[in-house]
Amino acid sequence: DQQVKQNSPSLSVQEGRISILNCDYTNSMFDYFLWYKKYPAEGPTFLISISSIKDKNEDGRFTVFLNKSAKHLSLHIVPSQPGDSAVYFCAAQAGGTSYGKLTFGQGTILTVHP
Amino acid sequence: GAVVSQHPSRVICKSGTSVKIECRSLDFQATTMFWYRQFPKQSLMLMATSNEGSKATYEQGVEKDKFLINHASLTLSTLTVTSAHPEDSSFYICSAETGNTIYFGEGSWLTVV
Repeated sequence: DQQVKQNSPSLSVQEGRISILNCDYTNSMFDYFLWYKKYPAEGPTFLISISSIKDKNEDGRFTVFLNKSAKHLSLHIVPSQPGDSAVYFCAAQAGGTSYGKLTFGQGTILTVHP
Repeated sequence: GAVVSQHPSRVICKSGTSVKIECRSLDFQATTMFWYRQFPKQSLMLMATSNEGSKATYEQGVEKDKFLINHASLTLSTLTVTSAHPEDSSFYICSAETGNTIYFGEGSWLTVV
């Protein structure tokens, strides 16, 4: 039972353009969402997060949008840079659970071409 | 910044043997550590939550007698895969919690032959 889904295994974008990574969830108990970036041979690193009381959170080139009614969130990267090429994981946390207990999506491989 | 180190990064073991993976928080104390497993083309799946000085809490479907977790100190948690089988071949990764921040290790690739 995949509670967090990233339906696009990969995404290819031209440098300078916008990258949009999508994530859907099914569990209504999720109230905090995070995006992680992972380079080969390294562990995931935290990128940006959003609480369910918000619908948008922005940090520099990265913006996360949350649509609770649709149980959908997306990560926008603009402008995209070649160094953004990595695997991006969407993760969700349910209220009342330990902060570190996360449910992950399958990941999306982002490739930004120069 | 905070770093979580995982060792070994890659290990090959024979079927039936046991293998231990270590997860260390290098510059902070982690009362709680988490172990995940990722099979190819699947998501990171939480296996267990490890609290220092107490028994680990395993997720449904994870065999606690097969995946032994020990969190003996505030900086070290170990995962031992006992009597490993080829189907245990996977990517295992730990994370450590400090305050409201989670740091991941680099992960360990286990291949059982």
